[in-house]
Amino acid sequence: DTAVSQTPKYLVTQMGNDKSIKCEQNLGHDTMYWYKQDSKKFLKIMFSYNNKELIINETVPNRFSPKSPDKAHLNLHINSLELGDSAVYFCASSQGRRLAEAFFGQGTRLTVV
Amino acid sequence: DAKTTQPTSMDCAEGRAANLPCNHSTISGNEYVYWYRQIHSQGPQYIIHGLKNNETNEMASLIITEDRKSSTLILPHATLRDTAVYYCIVRNQAGTALIFGKGTTLSVSS
Repeated sequence: DTAVSQTPKYLVTQMGNDKSIKCEQNLGHDTMYWYKQDSKKFLKIMFSYNNKELIINETVPNRFSPKSPDKAHLNLHINSLELGDSAVYFCASSQGRRLAEAFFGQGTRLTVV
Repeated sequence: DAKTTQPTSMDCAEGRAANLPCNHSTISGNEYVYWYRQIHSQGPQYIIHGLKNNETNEMASLIITEDRKSSTLILPHATLRDTAVYYCIVRNQAGTALIFGKGTTLSVSS
């Protein structure tokens, strides 16, 4: 079983569209994260939820809205997609806020055309 | 959080030990040193972490200097599958997220 799974793995869409990326973890963790990796390969934290509560919200445009329906899921919805949103998005989870073993998903490669 | 400095890239022959250095001269007493790696097109993977003492697990060893201003990740017998970007991260364990730097690109060749 995959510990942290993201869907879709690839997403190609046109500018201006709205899209969602789903993330699910089956590790029983209570903290989940979204990271963005741009073309220069920098990994940047975007959001973090602990027990469904938003605890990190970095400087991210309002077009990005995370939603956590339960502890096992953290979805990322993006409105009015722009070319600059093209990147690989990684979901991760950990137990509490312990950082020793954060598990990452395989990533979603978003391409905006 | 303390900033880390790593070489941009390193090469290693297959079967040899890979020693990846990391400088964290501004580390504070309650900050841990974590290592993650990212193999091409995959999500980052946890390797090891430590506070003061040297640590070893099935993947690697972590050597932290006595003054804690630097550390070395050791892959004892590097394989081609160890080719990846290795990130050294210093973080208070109560911190809320991992902050990744540029990392070291390790290339293992036969």
